[in-house]
Amino acid sequence: EIVLTQSPATLSLSPGERATLSCRASQSVSSYLAWYQQKPGQAPRLLIYDASNRATGIPARFSGSGSGTDFTLTISSLEPEDFAVYYCQQRSNWPSFTFGQGTRLEIK
Amino acid sequence: EVQLVESGGGLIQPGGSLRLSCAASGFTVSSNYMSWVRQAPGKGLEWVSVIYSGGSTYYADSVKGRFTISRDNSKNTLYLQMNSLRAEDTAVYYCIAVAGSEYFDYWGQGTLVTVSS
Repeated sequence: EIVLTQSPATLSLSPGERATLSCRASQSVSSYLAWYQQKPGQAPRLLIYDASNRATGIPARFSGSGSGTDFTLTISSLEPEDFAVYYCQQRSNWPSFTFGQGTRLEIK
Repeated sequence: EVQLVESGGGLIQPGGSLRLSCAASGFTVSSNYMSWVRQAPGKGLEWVSVIYSGGSTYYADSVKGRFTISRDNSKNTLYLQMNSLRAEDTAVYYCIAVAGSEYFDYWGQGTLVTVSS
């Protein structure tokens, strides 16, 4: 089983700042990695797929990078609505899909 | 617009059974693969099961042998039959449709399953 480890567990930043979230895989997942955003009481929303492609309707301030075992989600300038929990997920180890444990992005 | 509406959650005793339904609109359940993901209270996301367009099904080890995923193409509905339920199965269960990205594009609002005596 591929394990995804996200860091940090919690990130405290202010609106307008740049956020950098990390996801590390226990073995290579190539570029088969996605990022999701989840706000309280809501279902997750797909942000980034195949490591660097923005999903439909996702603002350009969200970007993803990486391949193999190390991946990054960057939010270039935080908006108030961006404070949420972020999860990475791999689909390389078909037919099993695994998620990271999440990074909570909170207002400083 | 794609809509996924789950139903069937509730309070059930350990060892009991429950069937979750997910009615889809704006999306054909047999067109690509569909999945269930769950989230225990205050915890992260856990993939549960997937059914592919050809009908192949797969499960997480934690539910293998107890849960069954299926679909009814005529009703455009996805199901999750859950048997031998345990306290650790308590979670919000999300129905998911996979579209062009080949990831979890569309999510339902979730249905809460509570396993407790």
